[in-house]
Amino acid sequence: DGGITQSPKYLFRKEGQNVTLSCEQNLNHDAMYWYRQDPGQGLRLIYYSQIVNDFQKGDIAEGYSVSREKKESFPLTVTSAQKNPTAFYLCASTRRDTNTGELFFGEGSRLTVL
Amino acid sequence: KQEVTQIPAALSVPEGENLVLNCSFTDSAIYNLQWFRQDPGKGLTSLLLIQSSQREQTSGRLNASLDKSSGRSTLYIAASQPGDSATYLCAVRGPVGTYKYIFGTGTRLKVLA
Repeated sequence: DGGITQSPKYLFRKEGQNVTLSCEQNLNHDAMYWYRQDPGQGLRLIYYSQIVNDFQKGDIAEGYSVSREKKESFPLTVTSAQKNPTAFYLCASTRRDTNTGELFFGEGSRLTVL
Repeated sequence: KQEVTQIPAALSVPEGENLVLNCSFTDSAIYNLQWFRQDPGKGLTSLLLIQSSQREQTSGRLNASLDKSSGRSTLYIAASQPGDSATYLCAVRGPVGTYKYIFGTGTRLKVLA
């Protein structure tokens, strides 16, 4: 079945540590996204990538980094520079070459800083 | 800068009621608008997608309309059921050539049995 797989589902981190969240899709989608969700604040865009080897900062990119070496994969690293990393992180993807532009999501990763 | 607002933030209704959720956006130059459902602790599930050239889309008991000129979309849920309880979010993408989606903060719906 096609879809977006995020791992791990739950992650605990000590302050000062970097962690990487995985996002893999087998939908043959070109564009991929990372969002952060906090209670009562909706989804905020961290980074997005339209094609391999290219990505752009979203609204809250500080303290995060990404790479897009393969079409299927868009990992997100939460660095120690991120002041308040505890949140629910969502990965999404869509195709670029259709008229619909429907956005699909993974099941999310919940990061807790201890 | 595009801003998306959803009102009300929370809604509680008895089972069987027809209800309307609202989504408004400040920039009418959108490519599409999408409605999602989110259950607690889960990802978002796509419900309906309306292209900028369309006025409405329907799926089962759900109907979404789009009025670009007024910057508004509504999601109509007919004959609500307890299983409809979830948070509903809308998102706009646009304009054409951009790939950013801007989300509203959602409406938390509870349908009482």
